[in-house]
Amino acid sequence: GAVVSQHPSWVICKSGTSVKIECRSLDFQATTMFWYRQFPKQSLMLMATSNEGSKATYEQGVEKDKFLINHASLTLSTLTVTSAHPEDSSFYICSARARQGLGTEAFFGQGTRLTVV
Amino acid sequence: AQRVTQPEKLLSVFKGAPVELKCNYSYSGSPELFWYVQYSRQRLQLLLRHISRESIKGFTADLNKGETSFHLKKPFAQEEDSAMYYCALSGRNQGGKLIFGQGTELSVKP
Repeated sequence: GAVVSQHPSWVICKSGTSVKIECRSLDFQATTMFWYRQFPKQSLMLMATSNEGSKATYEQGVEKDKFLINHASLTLSTLTVTSAHPEDSSFYICSARARQGLGTEAFFGQGTRLTVV
Repeated sequence: AQRVTQPEKLLSVFKGAPVELKCNYSYSGSPELFWYVQYSRQRLQLLLRHISRESIKGFTADLNKGETSFHLKKPFAQEEDSAMYYCALSGRNQGGKLIFGQGTELSVKP
C-alpha cells in the first residue's frame, strides 16, 4: 500500500513557540491531505482539509490562524501550530488521498505527539 | 448532522468467541462507510469498506440503511485481533474527508 510519513513523530516545545509538522506521501501524489487531532482515548477529530495549491478548508471551531496549513506540492503538507499552549498538546495525524489510482482510500501517517510545556 | 456512534468503548471476548462491534451513523444522503483498525503502536489502516463487500482477516460488515448501522463482525475472534477499531463515514461529495466514531477497543483473551 501507499505510505504516508509524518515528521517529527514526537516533539516537545515551550509555551509560546511555534511547531511545524510535516506530512509526506512517499510513493504517490496526493490531491488532498487531511489533518486530524486525537485526544487520549478519544476519536480522531478532523481539523482541516488541504488541497494542493489552494487554501485549506477548516472545520468549524478550528482556528485557522492558530493552525496554519500549507500544501505546497502534491507530496507535502505542513501543519504549523503557532504560539503553542499546553492545551494544544495532542496527537496530530495526517492522511492523504491519491491523485489517481489507489481508489478512494485515505492513507494515514503514523502521527505526531505534541507536548507543550 | 453527520455523526458516527460506536456505543462500546471496550469489548472483551475470549479467543474463538464471536465478535460484533457496533456502529451507527447519521447522514442525510448516501454515505460511504469504513472500518479502520489501529494495532498497538501502529498507524491507522483501512480494514474494509462497505462498497467492496469483502471479508478481510475474517471480518465482515454489512450496511443496513434501514437501521443506519454498519456493524463489524467476526465469527471466531483471534488474539491478534486485539486493537482499536474505528467506524468512519464519508459523504459522496465531500472530497474524501472522514468522520470517525469514538472507537472501540477490542481485547481478545486467550
